[in-house]
This record gives sequence, structure tokens and C-alpha cells, in this order.
Amino acid sequence: SQQGEEDPQALSIQEGENATMNCSYKTSINNLQWYRQNSGRGLVHLILIRSNEREKHSGRLRVTLDTSKKSSSLLITASRAADTASYFCATDARGGSEKLVFGKGTKLTVNP
Amino acid sequence: NAGVTQTPKFQVLKTGQSMTLQCAQDMNHNSMYWYRQDPGMGLRLIYYSASEGTTDKGEVPNGYNVSRLNKREFSLRLESAAPSQTSVYFCASSGRQGVNYGYTFGSGTRLTVV
Repeated sequence: SQQGEEDPQALSIQEGENATMNCSYKTSINNLQWYRQNSGRGLVHLILIRSNEREKHSGRLRVTLDTSKKSSSLLITASRAADTASYFCATDARGGSEKLVFGKGTKLTVNP
Repeated sequence: NAGVTQTPKFQVLKTGQSMTLQCAQDMNHNSMYWYRQDPGMGLRLIYYSASEGTTDKGEVPNGYNVSRLNKREFSLRLESAAPSQTSVYFCASSGRQGVNYGYTFGSGTRLTVV
């Protein structure tokens, strides 16, 4: 079963606007990762945030993590049409698990 | 710059046929994974291999077998394909401490079982 659940399932915005996606998870984690998947392609790793971090930036991406609420958010600033994709969060399970569990994803559409 | 290579990219099988999906990585990664992706279900782990010589079941292993042939290659076999195995299959790999680093994914194999 999925550990992480993204919200919303779908998001449509205009180019230049900011996009925010949320992820909630159930059990304690070592880290949380975000991935992007363009239509018909494999997933691409975007950013990893560890359980002792609260915020992380990478270019136009900002990720926050609130372990007390078991939630994370991904913010894409000044979105572009090329950001149109599905975005997935993935979590491990604290305790040495060697695998990631993925959520069902948020489908983002950025309209030109 | 190959990363993770999956073959074939597309395949149509008849119910009951068998086939092997191939995956190879050239990044000297220890861990390799097979996921399937179905509409509305996200990615579900089928099998994984934390290191050469070891394999473990994931969330949905029934109907599949795997072989970690060497450090580079991790194959997924369907012995008797069923329509429920129609899906997109992704292979991924990661470094020494897999979950502490990002995964690198292949481009996928789109499998249809009729």
C-alpha cells in the first residue's frame, strides 16, 4: 500500500504562477523524495529532504517537511509550460528499509 | 550517459506466454528495483535487489520472478502472462544506501497482455 499520498490529484495553472503540491505519509521516515514524470517517460529525481531538515531549495523548487504532521509540500515557483508533468513523493520507512514507496502522484498542467 | 536501460520498450503477449524484461545500469549502483505503474495506482514495487546476489519481494510479487545476474543487470520474468499484468514496468537503481539517495529510472516497458 502507498506510504505517501499526494494532494491534489490534479492541478491546472497558468504559466508564471506558483504550483504547490502536498504529500502526507503514515509512518516515521528517514527521508522523503520528490520525482517528476513527463508523459510516457520514466521518473526523474528532483530533490531529497531528510527527516532532520525542514526546508530545502533547488532552483525553482522548494520542499518543506513537517515530521510532526507527517507531511511535505513541493512548491514550484514561476511555473513554465515545460513543468507540465506528474509529480510523486516517495518515502522510505525508518528502520533500515531498502526501498522507497511512492504515492499516486499529482498531475500538474501549466497552460501557456 | 546511458544510466538505466530497459528492453524492450513495448511488448504484446498472449495470455499464458512468458517473457523476460531486461534492465541494465552502468552507474555501479548496488541496489536495483522493479516497479509497475497502473493508472490511478502510482508505482508499486514488485521485487528489489539491495545488492548483487540478493533479491526480495516487494508489494506485488505474485506472477513474477527476478534474477540479479550481476551487479549491472536485473531481469524480471513473467512465466505465464495474465491480462492483469498489463502495465508499464520501470526498472530503477540507486547507490550504496539506496533510500538515502535518489533513484535513477529507466524509460519503461509498456506491456499489454491480451
